[in-house]
Amino acid sequence: ETGVTQSPTHLIKTRGQQVTLRCSSQSGHNTVSWYQQALGQGPQFIFQYYREEENGRGNFPPRFSGLQFPNYSSELNVNALELDDSALYLCASSLRAVSSGNTIYFGEGSWLTVV
Amino acid sequence: DQQVKQNSPSLSVQEGRISILNCDYTNSMFDYFLWYKKYPAEGPTFLISISSIKDKNEDGRFTVFLNKSAKHLSLHIVPSQPGDSAVYFCAARETSGSRLTFGEGTQLTVNP
Repeated sequence: ETGVTQSPTHLIKTRGQQVTLRCSSQSGHNTVSWYQQALGQGPQFIFQYYREEENGRGNFPPRFSGLQFPNYSSELNVNALELDDSALYLCASSLRAVSSGNTIYFGEGSWLTVV
Repeated sequence: DQQVKQNSPSLSVQEGRISILNCDYTNSMFDYFLWYKKYPAEGPTFLISISSIKDKNEDGRFTVFLNKSAKHLSLHIVPSQPGDSAVYFCAARETSGSRLTFGEGTQLTVNP
């Protein structure tokens, strides 16, 4: 149990639709990162939010966007869904000043299928 | 450009024997390395980590070795147990933040 919760756990969307995924970070963690894990691959960094501001972005198009709220929970929004967006979306929370300890915790993920 | 690579997609070992999972990286800015374990339909779970100032870190049955000159790290599991069967991801982090770069993963199967 990491204290990071994500919703929904599974969903199916149609190509062209929009989706919102949600994440509640572990208590005391002010940084949230989102990752996309396609089948058979490792997680790929989408972006990170620190104190409600985007703080780093991976190689994903602008139709991937996010929000972080004052309570440090977060949303990932994907517009104009494509079939290749089908993946497990993982949320990870961490302390901004990352120490050498085990300070990055993942939620169980949201499985998105685009048909 | 795959900065973290796990060249073995799968590994099968007998219960009680040693499991060795390997990982190579190319980015010299990586200063912190982590291993995650992942079961199907679950998120990755932190297993063990190592800072670039060390060459070994041990936690129970798990030991991670880091060879900075070779840009190589390995995870040793001794003795291996059937419950260790999972996908293992190597991940690396740069000094500047908490963004992780993952390898492709290695499916470990421990046979009873």
